[in-house]
Amino acid sequence: DGGITQSPKYLFRKEGQNVTLSCEQNLNHDAMYWYRQDPGQGLRLIYYSQIVNDFQKGDIAEGYSVSREKKESFPLTVTSAQKNPTAFYLCASSTGLGDEQFFGPGTRLTVL
Amino acid sequence: AQSVTQPDIHITVSEGASLELRCNYSYGATPYLFWYVQSPGQGLQLLLKYFSGDTLVQGIKGFEAEFKRSQSSFNLRKPSVHWSDAAEYFCAVAPSYNTDKLIFGTGTRLQVFP
Repeated sequence: DGGITQSPKYLFRKEGQNVTLSCEQNLNHDAMYWYRQDPGQGLRLIYYSQIVNDFQKGDIAEGYSVSREKKESFPLTVTSAQKNPTAFYLCASSTGLGDEQFFGPGTRLTVL
Repeated sequence: AQSVTQPDIHITVSEGASLELRCNYSYGATPYLFWYVQSPGQGLQLLLKYFSGDTLVQGIKGFEAEFKRSQSSFNLRKPSVHWSDAAEYFCAVAPSYNTDKLIFGTGTRLQVFP
């Protein structure tokens, strides 16, 4: 089945540690996205990528980093510089920027 | 500035009642329009989308939405709500295809009472 996988579902880290969230898609989509969602909040765009080896900052990129070495993979690293990293993180992909986005199941990160 | 507005943060309806969730946008041309649903702790699922043509769009789970250019709106409707419809609903807009990414509204939380 085609889709987007995010792992792990739940992630716990100590304050000050970097952590990498995985996102893989087998939909052959060019564009991929990372969003952050806090309780009662909408989606806030962290980073997005239109093609391999290229990505752009979204609205809240500070404290995060990404890479896009393969079309199907777009990992997100939450660095120690992110002041409030505890949140629900969603990955998505689409054929083009303005097209329907397909979402993964999300990763809930808790920093202790 | 370009924006997407969902005026209702929280809506409560009784099971079997009709539902309308509002979405307004502020773009000059006709954008591409989407409605997504999110169950707690899950990713978003597309309910329906509008690119062009008939302004009344049918989606999954018995939902429909109507594009009204004069009102810059794309409201989501369902004639009879089921308890399983309780979720968060997001409207999204792409100002143009392949040049602008989707802009999401802040969401409307739907609560359904038996």
